[in-house]
Amino acid sequence: EAGVAQSPRYKIIEKRQSVAFWCNPISGHATLYWYQQILGQGPKLLIQFQNNGVVDDSQLPKDRFSAERLKGVDSTLKIQPAKLEDSAVYLCASSFPGALGSEAFFGQGTRLTVV
Amino acid sequence: GENVEQHPSTLSVQEGDSAVIKCTYSDSASNYFPWYKQELGKGPQLIIDIRSNVGEKKDQRIAVTLNKTAKHFSLHITETQPEDSAVYFCAAFNQAGTALIFGKGTTLSVSS
Repeated sequence: EAGVAQSPRYKIIEKRQSVAFWCNPISGHATLYWYQQILGQGPKLLIQFQNNGVVDDSQLPKDRFSAERLKGVDSTLKIQPAKLEDSAVYLCASSFPGALGSEAFFGQGTRLTVV
Repeated sequence: GENVEQHPSTLSVQEGDSAVIKCTYSDSASNYFPWYKQELGKGPQLIIDIRSNVGEKKDQRIAVTLNKTAKHFSLHITETQPEDSAVYFCAAFNQAGTALIFGKGTTLSVSS
């Protein structure tokens, strides 16, 4: 079974530039999450999708972050404009549809450095 | 909302010793508590989980215990090996029961 795919693996940008990350979840997983992991901390939820609908985006800084999941499969997370404090690893995860307390499978993440 | 506290932040043991990591959670409605292992440059990977209707669960050298009254749960690793060295995260489902809230992680170092 293929895992959660993310790209790119690494990205370096200057502050105020824009950047986009892509995620392809495990086939059949209707729930998709984006987490932000700052160095030395645990992952922090940014947004959760169920199919192509947003379930929870309460922690997403909506003035600069946006995410979409068209057709309920792939997802894109965008930052515009980036700030220095956005430097982190952005993790995408997916899980089986509608199951509370089910295992979330994580991708390898995209490491973003904002200079 | 849910808050998860984890300690210690670092743990160093000798090969063969046991390691214990403890977490507390705030939302009494949380009902699912997974533990993830994260190796350098990789995403977190589930190693064991427990639901609120169970007090203990074991899988070979790894065990998790849950005390719902005290709202804490612990990870126990016995006979540690160098390949157990990694960052371990506990997590709990959030108040809405829709997404995982993670602790800050424990860096486990097993020396041979």
